[in-house]
Amino acid sequence: DGGITQSPKYLFRKEGQNVTLSCEQNLNHDAMYWYRQDPGQGLRLIYYSQIVNDFQKGDIAEGYSVSREKKESFPLTVTSAQKNPTAFYLCASSMTSAGNTIYFGEGSWLTVV
Amino acid sequence: AQTVTQSQPEMSVQEAETVTLSCTYDTSESDYYLFWYKQPPSRQMILVIRQEAYKQQNATENRFSVNFQKAAKSFSLKISDSQLGDAAMYFCAYRSPYGGSQGNLIFGKGTKLSVKP
Repeated sequence: DGGITQSPKYLFRKEGQNVTLSCEQNLNHDAMYWYRQDPGQGLRLIYYSQIVNDFQKGDIAEGYSVSREKKESFPLTVTSAQKNPTAFYLCASSMTSAGNTIYFGEGSWLTVV
Repeated sequence: AQTVTQSQPEMSVQEAETVTLSCTYDTSESDYYLFWYKQPPSRQMILVIRQEAYKQQNATENRFSVNFQKAAKSFSLKISDSQLGDAAMYFCAYRSPYGGSQGNLIFGKGTKLSVKP
């Protein structure tokens, strides 16, 4: 099936640890995105990538890092510098970075313990 | 900068009835795209409907339709014959036709829709 796969669905992080959220798409989309959603809130953009080997900071990039070494993969690392990482994270993709519909994965819950 | 406003934090509808969710936006662009996304309790964001600003005809997808008023910068979602499975958070979103940071989705804060049996 075509789509966007995020893993893990649930992740627990200890204070001071880095964790990586996986995002894979088989839609042949050029652009990929990471969003953060806090309870009762809308979505905020963390990072986006318009093409392989290129990515740009979104509105709340501090404490996060990404890579885009392959077209189909856009992993997000939540570093220990992110002071309040507990949230729901959504990965998304689109054909291009302009105008096309953005499709979302099922999301990953990250909790700091 | 573009903004999207959803003025109804919560709405309720009786099963089989019709409900309309409101969305207004602000932009200086003449061409753009508007979307409604549904987020059920599972939290996955699901595309409901899409509207291109250059199209005068309102988009429809089965029981879902929009009332797009470009001059008023209004983009409401009508759900007909409401079903229990329609209960979710609904987000209105704007997207510029340009690439880069301009092309990122701008979301409203959402409207929580409850469906009563």
